[in-house]
Parts: sequence; structure tokens; C-alpha cells
Amino acid sequence: GESVGLHLPTLSVQEGDNSIINCAYSNSASDYFIWYKQESGKGPQFIIDIRSNMDKRQGQRVTVLLNKTVKHLSLQIAATQPGDSAVYFCAETGSRRGSQGNLIFGKGTKLSVKP
Amino acid sequence: DADVTQTPRNRITKTGKRIMLECSQTKGHDRMYWYRQDPGLGLRLIYYSFDVKDINKGEISDGYSVSRQAQAKFSLSLESAIPNQTALYFCATSDVGDGWKFFGPGTRLTVL
Repeated sequence: GESVGLHLPTLSVQEGDNSIINCAYSNSASDYFIWYKQESGKGPQFIIDIRSNMDKRQGQRVTVLLNKTVKHLSLQIAATQPGDSAVYFCAETGSRRGSQGNLIFGKGTKLSVKP
Repeated sequence: DADVTQTPRNRITKTGKRIMLECSQTKGHDRMYWYRQDPGLGLRLIYYSFDVKDINKGEISDGYSVSRQAQAKFSLSLESAIPNQTALYFCATSDVGDGWKFFGPGTRLTVL
């Protein structure tokens, strides 16, 4: 079945280091992927997205990599800061009939930044 | 985050009670969604609406109903709340053609 999941439930990094959060998906027909950040007590906040016709996309301090061959998505955060501490979700829009823009979310990875 | 507001932010209720969660947005988006988040799980879609005349069931619509009163307002109702509906509920909006959603701050619902 269609699913989106994350390899690691928690990730702890030192302030200033780079962080890499991974995500696997199972639907090879998925064509749009999104990373969200959710801080405690808040709703998910859009970070960056990528379409399946791209392998890489960069934002401010963040880079998303898409490997369609192995159905793997990653989020790289450069020079991780304490404010980056949050739960990160990957999500995909399924391409099955009737999904109509529904996002399928992974379970999330909690990123903790040590000072 | 003030572009999408949810009321109440926290609610404790008893089994069998009817509960309404409200969502308002000032982003001018046509599309609105209700998601549920449980600990250890990702967000799951309950209902979505692409305009005021359009209502669609999502992945987990059983036990819920919705009303799209206006472009800016989308309400979620639990007709007879049960304990396993205890969760965080998020309203979201999106513009036509945008795959990503803009989320509200969430409502924490506890059903005793």
C-alpha cells in the first residue's frame, strides 16, 4: 500500500552541525513532496517542497534531495540552530484517483539541537 | 499563523457529547481541510472542501461531519464524541494548484 515513513524517530545534533532527516515513500507514482516543521504547541509549518521532475531543491539553510530510484527523500539543514528543534514531517501527494490533493504524512522525526 | 484561526484551542468533553470545532481563514483560499494528529502518527485527513458547495470525505471521516459556511469558515463536528477521538485537530487551507497546505494552530480535544 501507499505509505510514507521516516527512518529515525529521533535525531540529536550539536549546534552548528548539519542535520539530515530521511524519509522513505512507497508510491512510485507520487509526484510532489513536502517537508513540514512542527514546533511544540503549533501546527505544521511549510519548509520546502520538491516535484518529482527534480532531484534537488535548495532553500534558506535547507536542501531537499529526492531519489526516485530508491523512493527516498531527505531534508538537510545546514548549521543547525536551537530554533530548528522540532518534529519534522515529510508528506507526499498521492497520485491515486480521488486523492485530490490529500497529503500523506510520515510519522515524524524529532530533531533536538544540543548547545 | 493568525491567517488561520481555530477555536477552541483546548476542549475537554465527555463521551456522547456533541462538539464543534471551528476554523476561520483570512488567506482567501478556496480549499480547506481538517486533519487529525495522534501521538506517534502523522496527520490524517478527515474531510476537505474545495469550495463552499464541495465537501469530501477523507481517510478517516467516520464519526465526524463538517460544514462549509463560507469561503472563510469550515467547521468540524463530532456528533457523539468517544474517547478514541481524543487528539490534536488541525485545520488547513491551500490555494488552487498549491500542493502544500497552510495549517492553523490546532485544537487539543480530550474526550473522557
